[in-house]
Amino acid sequence: AQTVTQSQPEMSVQEAETVTLSCTYDTSENNYYLFWYKQPPSRQMILVIRQEAYKQQNATENRFSVNFQKAAKSFSLKISDSQLGDTAMYFCAFMKHEMDQAGTALIFGKGTTLSVSS
Amino acid sequence: NAGVTQTPKFQVLKTGQSMTLQCAQDMNHEYMSWYRQDPGMGLRLIHYSVGAGITDQGEVPNGYNVSRSTTEDFPLRLLSAAPSQTSVYFCASSYSSGRAVYEQYFGPGTRLTVT
Repeated sequence: AQTVTQSQPEMSVQEAETVTLSCTYDTSENNYYLFWYKQPPSRQMILVIRQEAYKQQNATENRFSVNFQKAAKSFSLKISDSQLGDTAMYFCAFMKHEMDQAGTALIFGKGTTLSVSS
Repeated sequence: NAGVTQTPKFQVLKTGQSMTLQCAQDMNHEYMSWYRQDPGMGLRLIHYSVGAGITDQGEVPNGYNVSRSTTEDFPLRLLSAAPSQTSVYFCASSYSSGRAVYEQYFGPGTRLTVT
């Protein structure tokens, strides 16, 4: 069974600064995806970034980037130039890739609450 | 596209009552799933479906039923509500294309309170 661990329940950062959220996972699978989802107070789940395990290059989306270390089973999220609107809970999630199947379950970490202050 | 829709947004039930949480998507996604979110627990999978007529259990299925008669709809039934089912419920859908599986799209959630 897969597990996802987020070891930082809460973090805070000042506007314009950089913050890194940690995530480790445990799996024996070789083909999988990793995601970071953002959940603002509105509770809508918003995809921030995704990483395919077979890709060595780290994914980036504007101010968001990941540090994917497959051997260490680590998947951290870096937020650059933090903005007030980044205040939210962030979830790391794992999804096994099964060929010819429309999708599989997301396994979530317990989340990190990020507060950005001015 | 409306994406993934869920109704109701809020619901209060008494212990022992039954109800159905509705979920619909208009993206022709094959895969649909239900999660519950509890404080400090992240999201946990209740049931999922890989296509019409096919459903299976997730991590926390007890007390819930699902069916998938159409591609669009995936209702979640609470058979006899218990206070332990107080939670926020999310429906999600996704699809695959060739070798790639795409991210899951989430509905806005239903906050359920059982008294």
